[in-house]
Amino acid sequence: GAGVSQSPSNKVTEKGKDVELRCDPISGHTALYWYRQSLGQGLEFLIYFQGNSAPDKSGLPSDRFSAERTGGSVSTLTIQRTQQEDSAVYLCASSLTIGTNYGYTFGSGTRLTVV
Amino acid sequence: QKEVEQNSGPLSVPEGAIASLNCTYSDRGSQSFFWYRQYSGKSPELIMSIYSNGDKEDGRFTAQLNKASQYVSLLIRDSQPSDSATYLCAVRMNTGFQKLVFGTGTRLLVSP
Repeated sequence: GAGVSQSPSNKVTEKGKDVELRCDPISGHTALYWYRQSLGQGLEFLIYFQGNSAPDKSGLPSDRFSAERTGGSVSTLTIQRTQQEDSAVYLCASSLTIGTNYGYTFGSGTRLTVV
Repeated sequence: QKEVEQNSGPLSVPEGAIASLNCTYSDRGSQSFFWYRQYSGKSPELIMSIYSNGDKEDGRFTAQLNKASQYVSLLIRDSQPSDSATYLCAVRMNTGFQKLVFGTGTRLLVSP
């Protein structure tokens, strides 16, 4: 696609429920990144993919968080047993490849609210 | 020490003035540096990148890099009210080099 597409744009869920956030990167971009941004905070790295592999999962806050990428394209971030502290904007970004001087292109984000 | 540090601001400048935004980073081996603009409620948008010491100009924007001082800055000339946003500095560090580390951003307010 022309840009990075994320869905849903907004998600309100009850504490303890599972949620899935979807990211569709720019066509041809092999690298995909997930960040989250809490209100008034900076961007916190979660995980990145090169193709379907996730070499760096160091930013995932707990084992309730997982992510996968299939076909070198769409990625899903899953949060199990959501907690109120999971409330944030989850941003997905893609770049042509890794280890280069390319910056990222971000999607419009998913605003997650856990009530 | 944070990996990437920025003054949170707000930095207030009058329309037409030069806005100077600063960023320091901890990893001396960092390779590439980026400035993103984020309007309220929107996602970050890449506006400048710089890899070598010195200045890089693009329209009203100039990025400056000093690796010896571990310092990168963004100058916005002829500031416009539409430049009012949060500016995020991002650094690709030498370790974990596949991801960008972001500062918390500087909020810029340009008054008419």
